[in-house]
Amino acid sequence: DIVMTQSPDSLAVSLGERATINCKSSQSVLSSSNNQNYLAWYQQKPRQPPKLLVYWASTRESGVPDRFSGSGSGTDFTLTISSLQAEDVAVYYCQQYYTAPLTFGGGTKVEIK
Amino acid sequence: EVQVVESGGGLVQPGGSLRLSCAASGFSISDHYMDWVRQAPGKGLEWVGRTRNKAHNYITEYAASVRGKFTISRDDSQNSVYLQMNSLKTEDTAVYYCARWRSGAADCWGQGTLVTVSS
Repeated sequence: DIVMTQSPDSLAVSLGERATINCKSSQSVLSSSNNQNYLAWYQQKPRQPPKLLVYWASTRESGVPDRFSGSGSGTDFTLTISSLQAEDVAVYYCQQYYTAPLTFGGGTKVEIK
Repeated sequence: EVQVVESGGGLVQPGGSLRLSCAASGFSISDHYMDWVRQAPGKGLEWVGRTRNKAHNYITEYAASVRGKFTISRDDSQNSVYLQMNSLKTEDTAVYYCARWRSGAADCWGQGTLVTVSS
């Protein structure tokens, strides 16, 4: 199975500042056939289901604010919130879908400093 | 409106069985893979398994932790997906989410249904 490791486990960022979340896969999730990274990011607020933010590592889902961006390739990925807003307080998960079983990172909790 | 709604959760004794349902509306599940994901209390997300669509022969795939215990099925005519859970253990206690998969990610999630395995 592909193991997804997120860091940090939690971070506190001031409003308007940048938040950076890292995700590392135990093997590459880059497909040589289509040059796509099989990596998605989700946001989960308390008592809510996860919400898709980014897929194919860097494609923002429709309706997601442009302060959210995904980057990286191969085994190392980053989700950046360029200017943290109060409504961004949540837990963020990466997920690989390169191969079954699909696997999630352990989550990163983002709070306001 | 595109949505999925899970039902069937509840309290079950260890060793028991439960069948969850996921009713889709606003789209046809026949075009999509459908996933089940669970979340134990206070824990992270765990992919349970998926049913592929007709174009991909309705193949099902499972996490190792549930393979042989859980069975995912679908009824495209009812626009519904099911999760049959047998031989339940306390560690299967979780909120179970149904999610629509489209190219690249799970883009539509239900609110989840809570399964509690306890004596």
